[in-house]
Order: sequence, then structure tokens, then C-alpha cells
Amino acid sequence: AQSVTQLDSQVPVFEEAPVELRCNYSSSVSVYLFWYVQYPNQGLQLLLKYLSGSTLVKGINGFEAEFNKSQTSFHLRKPSVHISDTAEYFCAVTRGGGTSYGKLTFGQGTILTVHP
Amino acid sequence: DTAVSQTPKYLVTQMGNDKSIKCEQNLGHDTMYWYKQDSKKFLKIMFSYNNKELIINETVPNRFSPKSPDKAHLNLHINSLELGDSAVYFCASSLRTSGRRETQYFGPGTRLLVL
Repeated sequence: AQSVTQLDSQVPVFEEAPVELRCNYSSSVSVYLFWYVQYPNQGLQLLLKYLSGSTLVKGINGFEAEFNKSQTSFHLRKPSVHISDTAEYFCAVTRGGGTSYGKLTFGQGTILTVHP
Repeated sequence: DTAVSQTPKYLVTQMGNDKSIKCEQNLGHDTMYWYKQDSKKFLKIMFSYNNKELIINETVPNRFSPKSPDKAHLNLHINSLELGDSAVYFCASSLRTSGRRETQYFGPGTRLLVL
């Protein structure tokens, strides 16, 4: 079984500052990793994903994340945030490899609040 | 051009009632899911169907019964609603490619409040 830990429940930051949202996972098998964003009263939108290949993945809205297998981490970063990035961010993991039932395990979420 | 849609968006009902939530996707995906997001925003998978076949069935009370009439639709029926069923229910879908079906696209959610 896999699990996901998002180390910060809330991250306040000023507009145009850089931000990093931390995510660590545990799994005995290879995994696929995802970041989703949830704006207030809305559904989940896929930001980016790591399946294989380059460990640095770029997503929408200027976000990127780096897969670090040795540290079992998949931290999300943005060099300069906007007010509109205020939302809750979820890290998720699913079993990798050739057969996947697609069972996503989510972290507890990190609320990013961008202040003017 | 809605990809994954759910109805209703909001549902307020009394304890003991039976209700259904519907989900439809027009992405051509073959796998659909139901997730529950509780009051603390924790998301947990409930069920998954692939081509109308149940493939994931987590520990969920049997008051919850999913039904997939075809691979574009996955409905969730809840009998004898309880206060603890109040949550946001998300539908998602993905496409199995070379045995993998990892990238899931979510609907807008159905906010259920049981009084």
C-alpha cells in the first residue's frame, strides 16, 4: 500500500514570491505521482504528473515539480505566485508499472494563500 | 464541452432518504471512479468501474451502490442516508492505455448535506 504526506497544511505567501509545497510518499513499488489543484467550491484540476523519464515535470499555470526517488519526494514549485493561485493543492500517488487499476491515494492537502 | 459532469451539484436531504448522484464523461474513457471528500478535505476512493465492470470496491457501507449502465456513465445510489454521509462526492474518469489508467480527470463534485 502507498501513502502520501503533505508536510504543510497551510502556506501563506506574498504575491510574486516563490513557493514550494512539499509532498512525500511511501510505497514498496514504483509509483506515478500527481498534483491536483482545487479552487474554492470547484472540482479537482490536474496540474502535472510524473509517470517516467525526466524527473522535472512542468505543468499548467507555471508550476513544476521534481521527482526525487531517493528522498521519496515530489515537491511542487512556482517561482512567482499570483493572487489567482490561492487554492488547495493535493499530491496523489498511484501504483506504477504495467498494470494499474488507477487507485489514487491523496495527501491531506495544502492550502496556499497568496497575499497582495 | 464539459468533460466530466455530475448532477446534481448540490443535494440537501433528510436522514433516512435514498438519493442518487449521476456522472457522465464525454472523453471516451473506459474507467470511472467515485471519490468522497470529507469535511476535512480528505479525499478517498470509493469505487471504480472499467467497461461496466467493478474493479475497485473500497470499504464502503453497502448502503452505497454504484451502477454503470455504460462506460460513459457511473451513478451512485445511497440508501438510508446518514449524517456522516455529508461530504463532497467526486466522479473521475481515465483511459486504460497499455494496461495503465493513471491519469484521472475529475468532475465538479456533488455537495451532499444530510440533515
